[in-house]
Amino acid sequence: QQQVKQSPQSLIVQKGGIPIINCAYENTAFDYFPWYQQFPGKGPALLIAIRPDVSEKKEGRFTISFNKSAKQFSLHIMDSQPGDSATYFCAALAYGQNFVFGPGTRLSVLP
Amino acid sequence: EAGVAQSPRYKIIEKRQSVAFWCNPISGHATLYWYQQILGQGPKLLIQFQNNGVVDDSQLPKDRFSAERLKGVDSTLKIQPAKLEDSAVYLCASSLSSPGLARNEQFFGPGTRLTVL
Repeated sequence: QQQVKQSPQSLIVQKGGIPIINCAYENTAFDYFPWYQQFPGKGPALLIAIRPDVSEKKEGRFTISFNKSAKQFSLHIMDSQPGDSATYFCAALAYGQNFVFGPGTRLSVLP
Repeated sequence: EAGVAQSPRYKIIEKRQSVAFWCNPISGHATLYWYQQILGQGPKLLIQFQNNGVVDDSQLPKDRFSAERLKGVDSTLKIQPAKLEDSAVYLCASSLSSPGLARNEQFFGPGTRLTVL
């Protein structure tokens, strides 16, 4: 119940495409859902986060869509660029507990 | 603002040897975390410190792993003896306070890549 499932494992898109990464959870106590971006040789960095009281959040080219009833959330990257090539992790957090991370999605954006 | 510093960046050891990793968090951050990231997986929390006290070490293999945070600043993570399955990237992160109390962002260091032969 503490797991966060993430798909796809890897994703290749052309420059300008809109990659979509999906995550699903079971624990209804989760109330904070961040996405992290990790470049090779670097630690993960917070990209964008959402709480379950909203269905969508946009920050620049990055959008989180949240479906509370389905217990799913997804990351969309608009007008993707080669510089967006990285591994993306979704995570979930419940009050008083620690983050649970998904297994990651390796994104490649071709020029 | 300086980020989370970790050393060494890479370490190769043979099984049954011991190894230690060092982390210096962002100044003023009370909470420090050690994560293990196995290739192809997300980070898994090993231990969380609040100042110099342990908050959560439920996933730390205590028979071989130990960690300390002296004076509530720097921290070291030790593995003794190492096993092949300990090969991973060990990430240190810090935040202003515990994530359960306030949604403070965790800042990650670059990690130490450990290879156990």
